[in-house]
Amino acid sequence: AQKITQTQPGMFVQEKEAVTLDCTYDTSDQSYGLFWYKQPSSGEMIFLIYQGSYDEQNATEGRYSLNFQKARKSANLVISASQLGDSAMYFCAMRDLNAGGTSYGKLTFGQGTILTVHP
Amino acid sequence: DVKVTQSSRYLVKRTGEKVFLECVQDMDHENMFWYRQDPGLGLRLIYFSYDVKMKEKGDIPEGYSVSREKKERFSLILESASTNQTSMYLCASNRAYSNQPQHFGDGTRLSIL
Repeated sequence: AQKITQTQPGMFVQEKEAVTLDCTYDTSDQSYGLFWYKQPSSGEMIFLIYQGSYDEQNATEGRYSLNFQKARKSANLVISASQLGDSAMYFCAMRDLNAGGTSYGKLTFGQGTILTVHP
Repeated sequence: DVKVTQSSRYLVKRTGEKVFLECVQDMDHENMFWYRQDPGLGLRLIYFSYDVKMKEKGDIPEGYSVSREKKERFSLILESASTNQTSMYLCASNRAYSNQPQHFGDGTRLSIL
């Protein structure tokens, strides 16, 4: 079974500084995908960034980058130049890309990390 | 843009009532999902569907059922609501056989009194 662990229940960062949110995963699959989502207090889930297990380069999307270390089974999210609007809950999730020969796209989520950005 | 719409943002029901949560997506996605979100537990999968009239149990299906009569609509049913089903419920969809992310609705905060 897949498992995602986010060990930081809460993180604080000063505006304009960078912050790293930790995510480790456990899977016996060779082909999988890793996702990060942001959930503001309003509740909607916003997709941020994706990393495939066979991607050789770390994914980047604007101020978001994913520090993917396959041997350590970690997929940490790095947010550069934090903004007040980055204050939210952040979820790491994993998808098995070879579920029974098809991909139903099921995600396994971590517990989440609440990020607070201070002015 | 993909739009996933959940019928209610907030819902209050009584113990023992039959509760319907509706979800509609407009991007012709094959896969649809229902999650519940509780503090400290993240999102847990209740049920998912990969085609019309097809459904699969997720990790916590007890006390729930689902219906998918049309491709765009996926309903979550609480047969006899109980207080431990008070939670945030999130619907999501995505395209089959792709690496595309799941797209989520805004969520329904359900309180069972």
